[in-house]
Amino acid sequence: EAQVTQNPRYLITVTGKKLTVTCSQNMNHEYMSWYRQDPGLGLRQIYYSMNVEVTDKGDVPEGYKVSRKEKRNFPLILESPSPNQTSLYFCASSLSSRKNTGELFFGEGSRLTVL
Amino acid sequence: AQSVSQHNHHVILSEAASLELGCNYSYGGTVNLFWYVQYPGQHLQLLLKYFSGDPLVKGIKGFEAEFIKSKFSFNLRKPSVQWSDTAEYFCASSLSGNTPLVFGKGTRLSVIA
Repeated sequence: EAQVTQNPRYLITVTGKKLTVTCSQNMNHEYMSWYRQDPGLGLRQIYYSMNVEVTDKGDVPEGYKVSRKEKRNFPLILESPSPNQTSLYFCASSLSSRKNTGELFFGEGSRLTVL
Repeated sequence: AQSVSQHNHHVILSEAASLELGCNYSYGGTVNLFWYVQYPGQHLQLLLKYFSGDPLVKGIKGFEAEFIKSKFSFNLRKPSVQWSDTAEYFCASSLSGNTPLVFGKGTRLSVIA
């Protein structure tokens, strides 16, 4: 089944404790992206990747890191989480940004709470 | 910079009422336009998309949207809503080429019996 898988789905952590949210897609998609969703602010892009070893900042990259060592995986790293990073995070992928189909396939979401 | 505006934050309708959700985009060139839906507790799913051609686009579950270039609009419509349409709806746009999608802030639709 074609899907985007995120883990963990739910996480409560404390300020400063490094964490990684994994994202994996099995559709051989070139493009992957991370969004955060906050009430009243909609979806905001954190980072995106056009292909392996190619990553770019989105609208709200501060406090986050990503890597794209393999095509299928695009982990989101919070080196030192802070309470303002409490949010619902979505990973998404698309066949190719160059072809600009724009049809993103989303993961189920990861709800992160930073105390 | 490219932006997408959804003017309705929360819409409440009775079952069988007609729906129209507004969406305006900022870019005057060639854009691709999308509507995504997020049912409660779920991830976003594509409802419909417009790249070119017929400006009236039909999507899944009876939804449609009309691209009006002169108004920079891509409003979502459904003639008769059902309780199961309760969800959050996001309009999004992208420019031709290597540009990511830009989302609007979303419109929450509540359908009551």
